[in-house]
Amino acid sequence: IAGITQAPTSQILAAGRRMTLRCTQDMRHNAMYWYRQDLGLGLRLIHYSNTAGTTGKGEVPDGYSVSRANTDDFPLTLASAVPSQTSVYFCASSEQTGSNQPQHFGDGTRLSIL
Amino acid sequence: AQSVAQPEDQVNVAEGNPLTVKCTYSVSGNPYLFWYVQYPNRGLQFLLKYITGDNLVKGSYGFEAEFNKSQTSFHLKKPSALVSDSALYFCAVRVNTGFQKLVFGTGTRLLVSP
Repeated sequence: IAGITQAPTSQILAAGRRMTLRCTQDMRHNAMYWYRQDLGLGLRLIHYSNTAGTTGKGEVPDGYSVSRANTDDFPLTLASAVPSQTSVYFCASSEQTGSNQPQHFGDGTRLSIL
Repeated sequence: AQSVAQPEDQVNVAEGNPLTVKCTYSVSGNPYLFWYVQYPNRGLQFLLKYITGDNLVKGSYGFEAEFNKSQTSFHLKKPSALVSDSALYFCAVRVNTGFQKLVFGTGTRLLVSP
């Protein structure tokens, strides 16, 4: 079934450790996104990518980095995790940015920073 | 600031009764509005969107939404609720910042009782 795969599904991480959340899509979508979901705040955009080789900052980019080496993969890295990064992280994709096509979401990574 | 507001944290309705989940928006220019649903431990799923045209938009699972420009609202509705409709619902608006940025509301939990 076509869609977005995120890994791991959940992780407990010590503060200060480095962590990479993986995201792969098989829909050949140009645009990809990373969101964090926090209770009472909805979803907030961390980083996005219009197409392979390009990335941009969203609303809450500090402490996170991304890369887009190819169309399918869009990993999110926490260089040195802090407790405030405890959240549920969702990767999403759409055919392209600037279109009105809906975004497709993965099932999320639940990350706890201790 | 361009945003959406979901004034109700939770909506309770009995199975078989009509349901409404409220959303109001604040944007400059023409609004592009979306509704997504999130089931437990899953990512967001697209329900419907309003881009232009008829004010009543029909979507997945029997849901529809009414766009009201004068009231800047985009309420989600269903004529007859099912217990399986119980989930978290997000309204979102597309913001034109050079890429398709979706700004999400804080979500409304719908609880349908048997």
